Amino acid sequence: KNEVEQSPQNLTAQEGEFITINCSYSVGISALHWLQQHPGGGIVSLFMLSSGKKKHGRLIATINIQEKHSSLHITASHPRDSAVYICALKAAGNKLTFGGGTRVLVKP
Amino acid sequence: SQTIHQWPATLVQPVGSPLSLECTVEGTSNPNLYWYRQAAGRGLQLLFYSVGIGQISSEVPQNLSASRPQDRQFILSSKKLLLSDSGFYLCARSEGAYGYTFGSGTRLTVV
Repeated sequence: KNEVEQSPQNLTAQEGEFITINCSYSVGISALHWLQQHPGGGIVSLFMLSSGKKKHGRLIATINIQEKHSSLHITASHPRDSAVYICALKAAGNKLTFGGGTRVLVKP
Repeated sequence: SQTIHQWPATLVQPVGSPLSLECTVEGTSNPNLYWYRQAAGRGLQLLFYSVGIGQISSEVPQNLSASRPQDRQFILSSKKLLLSDSGFYLCARSEGAYGYTFGSGTRLTVV
């Protein structure tokens, strides 16, 4: 079993829809990252969470440490949100363990 | 600014040729630096990390090596490329509250 599992693997939404991506993990962590990878390959760090909830624009990330679960929500989705969203765990030594990613396609 | 400069953006190299990918970082000194690879259709895999000049840790046995000759410079190398070395290579840095910053990546195709 992988240390970090993301669901769904692929998601297609219509513009304006609310999107949720889930990340479950099985190990102790110091923080969890949500990353966005665009088709060209570049990666942007969206959030770093160790507890609770963070919001940036239309993006919301939550984490439940006890349940070892995090979610990334996109409100009022837009075609430019189309990307691969990756959950990554930060354990000892600052190294990251990555989930397999969720490919999101938002259609106009 | 925690900017990372990574080049080249794309590279096509023949099997058996050498490789050198360079990553330079700006911002605070003595960052942790990382080389990750993403093979086609797969997730990111940590190749090397460095906590300081000349300090390199390898995560997986492979055909690649890394060096950190200066605090803000991290180099990924190979003496002879294999087809299986093809992939997307990302340099990254981490520093406590700054979290992670990624470079723009190099797409390497070995032919």
